[in-house]
Amino acid sequence: DAGITQSPRHKVTETGTPVTLRCHQTENHRYMYWYRQDPGHGLRLIHYSYGVKDTDKGEVSDGYSVSRSKTEDFLLTLESATSSQTSVYFCAISESRERTPEQYFGPGTRLTVT
Amino acid sequence: GENVEQHPSTLSVQEGDSAVIKCTYSDSASNYFPWYKQELGKGPQLIIDIRSNVGEKKDQRIAVTLNKTAKHFSLHITETQPEDSAVYFCAATFSGSARQLTFGSGTQLTVLP
Repeated sequence: DAGITQSPRHKVTETGTPVTLRCHQTENHRYMYWYRQDPGHGLRLIHYSYGVKDTDKGEVSDGYSVSRSKTEDFLLTLESATSSQTSVYFCAISESRERTPEQYFGPGTRLTVT
Repeated sequence: GENVEQHPSTLSVQEGDSAVIKCTYSDSASNYFPWYKQELGKGPQLIIDIRSNVGEKKDQRIAVTLNKTAKHFSLHITETQPEDSAVYFCAATFSGSARQLTFGSGTQLTVLP
């Protein structure tokens, strides 16, 4: 398995509170991604990073922000959590070379917003 | 926008039979098509992928075929086993976003003993 960990693995929080999810990799891969998974929607890209301090929005970025201050860490922040953000969140990584577009996923974080 | 449609949403087969899952994509410039297997409570695991310059790829009991003209690709699992039971996702990259994947909505495969 690719060296990807996510923390916390489970979290319950209240509407309106800030939440930060962490993704940590030991593969030194350049690209990192945050997805959310909801029934009937597959995986949808929230934000991604193509290097330290280089990030961009994905398909469902509203209400989320990200930061990447080190190659190995990619943080996803919900500034003010809402019930619609209840989901399972997955981090993924990918190597830098154009010939290797494969993405490898972490174990996920189940977030419940009450 | 970019779209990947996946069918069927559920599939049940008898152990030893074959299973086929199909996906269609909207962007003719797509060039990379991975398939993921997700077991309950785990992250998606890459099981096979295909590039746009290849028509078919095999890895033991699994194979993927690509029809660029029709813009569809399929996953074939032969001699299915109970441990093949899982949710399978197809995905595709789209022009202008070579590093971003758009996923299908998933297929729940159940292999009956």
